[in-house]
Amino acid sequence: EVVLTQSPGTLSLSPGERATLSCRASQSLSSSFLAWYQQKRGQAPRLLLYAASTRATGVPDRFSGSGSGTDFTLTITRLEPEDCAVYYCQQHDTSPRTFGQGTKVEIK
Amino acid sequence: QVHLLQSGAEVKRPGSSVKVSCKAFGDSFSSYTYSWVRQAPGQGFEWMGEIVPIFGTVKYAQKFQGRVTITADESTRTAYMELGSLRSEDTAVLFCARGMNLDSWGQGTLVTVSS
Repeated sequence: EVVLTQSPGTLSLSPGERATLSCRASQSLSSSFLAWYQQKRGQAPRLLLYAASTRATGVPDRFSGSGSGTDFTLTITRLEPEDCAVYYCQQHDTSPRTFGQGTKVEIK
Repeated sequence: QVHLLQSGAEVKRPGSSVKVSCKAFGDSFSSYTYSWVRQAPGQGFEWMGEIVPIFGTVKYAQKFQGRVTITADESTRTAYMELGSLRSEDTAVLFCARGMNLDSWGQGTLVTVSS
């Protein structure tokens, strides 16, 4: 199965700063099948981006995604306190669908 | 847009089984894929399987093969996931999610396995 490795494990930044989250796959993926999710404490995940870079409905434009092959990035520009959450990447290019272990974003 | 409503928390004994439901409100039901994903306490996500109601096709993660059964009832717009031979390591929150991109999620169902 495809292993997704996210880094860093935790990111601690101030409001207004830029967050860069990495997701590396153990084998090359079609970018069409790479998604990012946000999970706040005690809540279900929320789809942020699909096809690596397409924002889901209602997602602010400070969230953007890029990448191809084995390396994908989620960027959050101008961090806001409400962005405090764990962010997960997920692939459904090959079965089984797999998730990264998550990056926790803390707001100072 | 769709709202997915899952059944309530369950406490089960080791060796028993649990069946969790996921009812869809709002959008078309049958033509979408419904996945089941679990999250153990403090952990990440593990995909268990999926169903496409209109075709009746089901796919399971190899890890759960033989222990999990995913079904759907188009008349009630509800997907189900049954997990058998429960052990303590199965204690987790189970989520249903719709679509290939998992664009909508249920609220989660906590399944606790304890003697």
